[in-house]
Amino acid sequence: AAGVIQSPRHLIKEKRETATLKCYPIPRHDTVYWYQQGPGQDPQFLISFYEKMQSDKGSIPDRFSAQQFSDYHSELNMSSLELGDSALYFCASSLGRRQGGYTFGSGTRLTVV
Amino acid sequence: GENVEQHPSTLSVQEGDSAVIKCTYSDSASNYFPWYKQELGKRPQLIIDIRSNVGEKKDQRIAVTLNKTAKHFSLHITETQPEDSAVYFCAASIRNDKLIFGTGTRLQVFP
Repeated sequence: AAGVIQSPRHLIKEKRETATLKCYPIPRHDTVYWYQQGPGQDPQFLISFYEKMQSDKGSIPDRFSAQQFSDYHSELNMSSLELGDSALYFCASSLGRRQGGYTFGSGTRLTVV
Repeated sequence: GENVEQHPSTLSVQEGDSAVIKCTYSDSASNYFPWYKQELGKRPQLIIDIRSNVGEKKDQRIAVTLNKTAKHFSLHITETQPEDSAVYFCAASIRNDKLIFGTGTRLQVFP
């Protein structure tokens, strides 16, 4: 069965650079969530989209932005990267906000040097 | 907003023993409570979940109980095996929306 696809799997950037993370949800899933997980930390909710509209916003820095496209894939854009942005970034998708049943992608490991 | 507390932060058990992890949540509107197992560098894997209209759910060696009045839920793993060693996260969701995670429990099962 198709899963949530995230790309790239690994990314190394220098401070002050920009990065774009991509997430392709399970086919027919209309809701996408982004989470950030620092080393030894629990996943922190960043932002979510439902039917291509932002539905909720968590602890996402102003330097980050995201959107969901017409094919339901989502991109997380990160600018002016800082060392503290080094983390695992997970995307999860679900079918409708009322049904739960999240499926997580394999994550993107971002390292800022 | 919702806040989820999880205890203990580390748990060591002998193979074959039981392990119990407890979580409390703050928002009584939360209605979905999943548990995830995460191995180092891997994605969180759903192992069991429970909804607010159910008090207990079991799947082989794993069970979850929910006390809505006290706003706490627990994960029970029986007959633990070394491959159960991982970090376990509880989470809570209001109206099946974003997940708020607990701080995690590192479970070590010694052979």
